[in-house]
Amino acid sequence: AQSVAQPEDQVNVAEGNPLTVKCTYSVSGNPYLFWYVQYPNRGLQFLLKYITGDNLVKGSYGFEAEFNKSQTSFHLKKPSALVSDSALYFCAVDNQGGKLIFGQGTELSVKP
Amino acid sequence: SAVISQKPSRDICQRGTSLTIQCQVDSQVTMMFWYRQQPGQSLTLIATANQGSEATYESGFVIDKFPISRPNLTFSTLTVSNMSPEDSSIYLCSVPGTGVDGYTFGSGTRLTVV
Repeated sequence: AQSVAQPEDQVNVAEGNPLTVKCTYSVSGNPYLFWYVQYPNRGLQFLLKYITGDNLVKGSYGFEAEFNKSQTSFHLKKPSALVSDSALYFCAVDNQGGKLIFGQGTELSVKP
Repeated sequence: SAVISQKPSRDICQRGTSLTIQCQVDSQVTMMFWYRQQPGQSLTLIATANQGSEATYESGFVIDKFPISRPNLTFSTLTVSNMSPEDSSIYLCSVPGTGVDGYTFGSGTRLTVV
């Protein structure tokens, strides 16, 4: 079965430190990979996506993600975290023309 | 990327009643998607709505419970029928992005069934 895993329910980071939110996937073929962020009482906001090409994808708000085909991973990263980055982050894959499969989400908490 | 207006943003409904959620897109799109996000959980696809044809439902979701309309390329509705407290969730619509954009999501409808 196709699936997306975010192994950490919560990630805690001090402001100014680098952050990583992990994502691995089990999908056949060459899926498209996405990261979304959800702030409280708001919809999902698109951060970045990987389709093909360079394994390092740069997205919104200084976020980037590294695609690793051999490890089937797509970890989200940011060199210097901000308190305002605190939110719920979802990894997702698209392998069937629009049917996004989401991970369970990771709550990122950035403390001053 | 497309802009989606989703209404209502939230509602509290009595069990046994129905609620219709609307999504209006500022551009024409072939496919629209409806998702459910149960409390504290991830998003699950309910159905894909194509204009001019019946919606395609995912396993575990049926048309009688979640009827969908797609009268044109910019609009869709999802009805949650005969509601029970288990239907309390956030419901979101989504449309595909273009180019470097990802899928765009509506702001969501937070439904509470009492």
